[in-house]
Amino acid sequence: DAGITQSPRHKVTETGTPVTLRCHQTENHRYMYWYRQDPGHGLRLIHYSYGVKDTDKGEVSDGYSVSRSKTEDFLLTLESATSSQTSVYFCAISGPRDSPYGYTFGSGTRLTVV
Amino acid sequence: KNEVEQSPQNLTAQEGEFITINCSYSVGISALHWLQQHPGGGIVSLFMLSSGKKKHGRLIATINIQEKHSSLHITASHPRDSAVYICAVPAFYNTDKLIFGTGTRLQVFP
Repeated sequence: DAGITQSPRHKVTETGTPVTLRCHQTENHRYMYWYRQDPGHGLRLIHYSYGVKDTDKGEVSDGYSVSRSKTEDFLLTLESATSSQTSVYFCAISGPRDSPYGYTFGSGTRLTVV
Repeated sequence: KNEVEQSPQNLTAQEGEFITINCSYSVGISALHWLQQHPGGGIVSLFMLSSGKKKHGRLIATINIQEKHSSLHITASHPRDSAVYICAVPAFYNTDKLIFGTGTRLQVFP
């Protein structure tokens, strides 16, 4: 949906290299999330943010860091990529609780670590 | 911490059939989400509901708070409904962090 974009859409990188994924929103929502999606697992939370410079870890945060210096941008960094981080990464935003849907997802980034 | 289970994992239907997908969770929640993901595609929010029933086109979502159970129904199913349907609930009551089911893969054949 318009309002949240992820970049890049696809990336192949080598083991040991740093990688940064970007999530950009135009909805001015406070909450932003990074998830990974792997076969056999539901979406799993990596990190989330509840405001500028306010971030916290999710259930699978090891090997990942995040930054949020502006409301609209939430960056996910793999400090030293490993093959186990090959996955599809989704960014999401959540709006006010009285909104009809609550969550909006980006289109995903397919990351392959070789 | 909440746990969520969906059933069935896989579902095959003929066009026009009535479809039901189920979701159960373990801890009381403020709202439950139904999402749709087409093959190779992004994730779209279908419903967020905290009680009763919601309807959007041929899709109907119901929730029973006492039973900790929700259903997603598709009436007059169509091949374009083929997708993975995902249920999600808050990890704890009244938090925005969600826990996701592993999804129900639906295939509708003409």
